[in-house]
Amino acid sequence: EVQLLESGGGFVQPGGSLRLSCAASGFTFSSCGMGWVRQAPGKGLEWVSSIGRSGTLKYYADSVKGRFTVSRDSSNTLYLQMNTLRAEDTAVYFCARRPPSAESGTSYFDYWGQGSLVTVSS
Amino acid sequence: DIQMTQSPSSLSASVGDRVTITCRASQGISNYLAWYQQKPGKVPKLLISAASTLQSGVPSRFSGSGSGTDFTLTISSLQPEDVATYYCQKYNSAPFSFGPGTKVDIK
Repeated sequence: EVQLLESGGGFVQPGGSLRLSCAASGFTFSSCGMGWVRQAPGKGLEWVSSIGRSGTLKYYADSVKGRFTVSRDSSNTLYLQMNTLRAEDTAVYFCARRPPSAESGTSYFDYWGQGSLVTVSS
Repeated sequence: DIQMTQSPSSLSASVGDRVTITCRASQGISNYLAWYQQKPGKVPKLLISAASTLQSGVPSRFSGSGSGTDFTLTISSLQPEDVATYYCQKYNSAPFSFGPGTKVDIK
């Protein structure tokens, strides 16, 4: 069974940093691209970042480019390092898996974690 | 960047009604379009990929069509468990944007 478990969310002041982690299990992690999608309270889904199978290809939304960094490692964990946080970054952050059959360079998601809430406020 | 729009933003229909949601891309994206369902308080669920490929386990009353810039998600006979917000997403190239969503309720 595919499982994605996010951690690392919490309360942070504007300008601060947080690192989200997503522990993956139930599938061959190295065969799947991964991504982060966020949802501000009462709002729609916003794609944040994606990373390819090997970790070489990385993509970011303009709203986070230069502030957020996506990475992955061989312990089957996906990360999102979030720096210079702003109030508008307040959201539930979902970790999600790109299907193993998906083309390289594309990014849609067949499994999602339960989400981790990040609150940026003074 | 390619912009994704959806219409309507919300709709209310009766059980058994046929429901159609439209998603439009500002530029052609071939068939690189996915549809998701998000029930209140729940995690998004992938319904359709490649504009029309139904994911395993998704009821056959859901279908997708379209290519290029115009896409539709159809629920052939609306059921109470279909109350949710539906999102389209382009995935041909970054940014992999979502549409703003369509909220579906039962009348």
